[in-house]
Amino acid sequence: QVQLQESGPGLVKPSQTLSLTCTVSGGSISSGSYYWSWIRQPAGKGLEWIGRIYTSGSTNYNPSLKSRVTISVDTSKNQFSLKLSSVTAADTAVYYCASKLWVWGQGTLVTVSS
Amino acid sequence: QTVVTQEPSLTVSPGGTVTLTCASSTGAVTSGYYPNWFQQKPGQAPRALIYSTSNKHSWTPARFSGSLLGGKAALTLSGVQPEDEAEYYCLLYYGGAGVFGGGTKLTVL
Repeated sequence: QVQLQESGPGLVKPSQTLSLTCTVSGGSISSGSYYWSWIRQPAGKGLEWIGRIYTSGSTNYNPSLKSRVTISVDTSKNQFSLKLSSVTAADTAVYYCASKLWVWGQGTLVTVSS
Repeated sequence: QTVVTQEPSLTVSPGGTVTLTCASSTGAVTSGYYPNWFQQKPGQAPRALIYSTSNKHSWTPARFSGSLLGGKAALTLSGVQPEDEAEYYCLLYYGGAGVFGGGTKLTVL
């Protein structure tokens, strides 16, 4: 069974770039026709779909975040990553990574504050 | 801006049946939107229940079922258990990009 674990800084300053990594265990990130997703959830609010990357490398992004988001894969490390630039307090949330949206990581809280 | 709408809250009695719906601001929901359903309990990550309208995961209890109903995606819980009290989210895909609904808080009372 695939398991996922998010990692990265818990505090990011406004205007900087948020960078998170999701490490995949129990399976290869490059096997099968999978896609790997990022989702976030501000405290007390609903889920927001950020984007996904296929094993082929093609991506889909939330149109409202597209200009600031990059999702990439590092097959050598069995990881995929999220970069969100020019962050503001509105980007403070728990960030989840997921495999095909079927298996989710436990989530990591990222706070944007000076 | 595409909006996906769910009932904010629903209440059901133990053993009862309840249907949650998921509507799209663009019109009728079809299988081409690949509706997904998720359950989230407080302090936990969401758990996938249904994908592509009606397909269950191996861990999805049999009492959960997905369908299309009256132009919406629907999640029906039959024989509700106390442990089904949770927030439920649907997700629809629009040309590759996903949009979550605002969630339905289901109370079992």
